Amino acid sequence: DGGITQSPKYLFRKEGQNVTLSCEQNLNHDAMYWYRQDPGQGLRLIYYSQIVNDFQKGDIAEGYSVSREKKESFPLTVTSAQKNPTAFYLCASTPGTGATEAFFGQGTRLTVV
Amino acid sequence: QKEVEQNSGPLSVPEGAIASLNCTYSDRGSQSFFWYRQYSGKSPELIMFIYSNGDKEDGRFTAQLNKASQYVSLLIRDSQPSDSATYLCAVNNREYGNKLVFGAGTILRVKS
Repeated sequence: DGGITQSPKYLFRKEGQNVTLSCEQNLNHDAMYWYRQDPGQGLRLIYYSQIVNDFQKGDIAEGYSVSREKKESFPLTVTSAQKNPTAFYLCASTPGTGATEAFFGQGTRLTVV
Repeated sequence: QKEVEQNSGPLSVPEGAIASLNCTYSDRGSQSFFWYRQYSGKSPELIMFIYSNGDKEDGRFTAQLNKASQYVSLLIRDSQPSDSATYLCAVNNREYGNKLVFGAGTILRVKS
């Protein structure tokens, strides 16, 4: 079945540690996105990529990094520079950019311990 | 001005009533408009999309788009308790390479 897979579902990070969230899609979509969601809030865009080896910062990119070495994969690294990383992270993809439905993964809940 | 704005709510309606959710957007060049439903702790799921001015109906849901006034709305008829969720409006933003921009969402509560 085609879809987007995020892993892990739950992740715990110690202070000062970098962690990487995985996002893989087999939909052959060109564009991929990372969003952050805090309790009771909407989705805020962290990074997005329209094509392999290219990506753009969203509204809250500070403290995060991404790579897009393969069309299927768009991992997100939460670095130690992100001071408040506890949140629900969602990865999404679209066939092209913008004008079509976004498909979402199941999300990763990151907690700082 | 935020790119996509929604009233955060909560919007409370009795079971069987019509729920009306509204969204305004800033980019006049936006072409595609989406409504997603999100249950707590889950990922958003698409309910409706609309590209042209006017109304689009799908079962109990109707999306309305007015590009001149830059707003899009979602009507839910015969609201059910299972409709209680957060509803997210999403708009493609031509200014930023057609990225998909979400509003903060409106919490809907349907009381039985």
